[in-house]
Amino acid sequence: NAGVMQNPRHLVRRRGQEARLRCSPMKGHSHVYWYRQLPEEGLKFMVYLQKENIIDESGMPKERFSAEFPKEGPSILRIQQVVRGDSAAYFCASSRDRVADTQYFGPGTRLTVL
Amino acid sequence: GNSVTQMEGPVTLSEEAFLTINCTYTATGYPSLFWYVQYPGEGLQLLLKATKADDKGSNKGFEATYRKETTSFHLEKGSVQVSDSAVYFCALSDRSTGNQFYFGTGTSLTVIP
Repeated sequence: NAGVMQNPRHLVRRRGQEARLRCSPMKGHSHVYWYRQLPEEGLKFMVYLQKENIIDESGMPKERFSAEFPKEGPSILRIQQVVRGDSAAYFCASSRDRVADTQYFGPGTRLTVL
Repeated sequence: GNSVTQMEGPVTLSEEAFLTINCTYTATGYPSLFWYVQYPGEGLQLLLKATKADDKGSNKGFEATYRKETTSFHLEKGSVQVSDSAVYFCALSDRSTGNQFYFGTGTSLTVIP
């Protein structure tokens, strides 16, 4: 039973470019969460999605960031016009359902903005 | 609101030493509490959890007890190994305020032979 998968594992972008991060949840999981980990800090919640719906985006920056979880395919976190401050590790987690209290994390995508 | 305060590191111990990493929390509802471990270059792995007061979570020799009276969930291990070197995160989830997890800042543990 494959775990949560994320790709790419490492992503380098220049300022102003776009970054696309992908997350495939565990088999049977339909709830996806994105977190950001800045250097020397804990994980901060960004957004919670269910298939085709954004449930909670209270942690998402208002500009340049967007997320989707289409009916088919992985969840995508998209960062437009990246800046150096976007450099971080981005983790995806999934859970079986809304009330399941355990989230399973992927290995993360480490974004570096030059 | 919800928050987690975790003992700051880094922590360096000799092999077979006793480990305690302190974690306290604030929550508006009735949270579940977790410890996750992150090995270098990897994602977070669930280490143990407890879903109600006085529950004890345990795994791989690690233990933590959900103490509602002191709002704490301290992680302990009686005899650490070099392979336990990692960053440990305390976290809570509170269904009454949504499904997001609230994480502490992490405690880096290095075990030396």
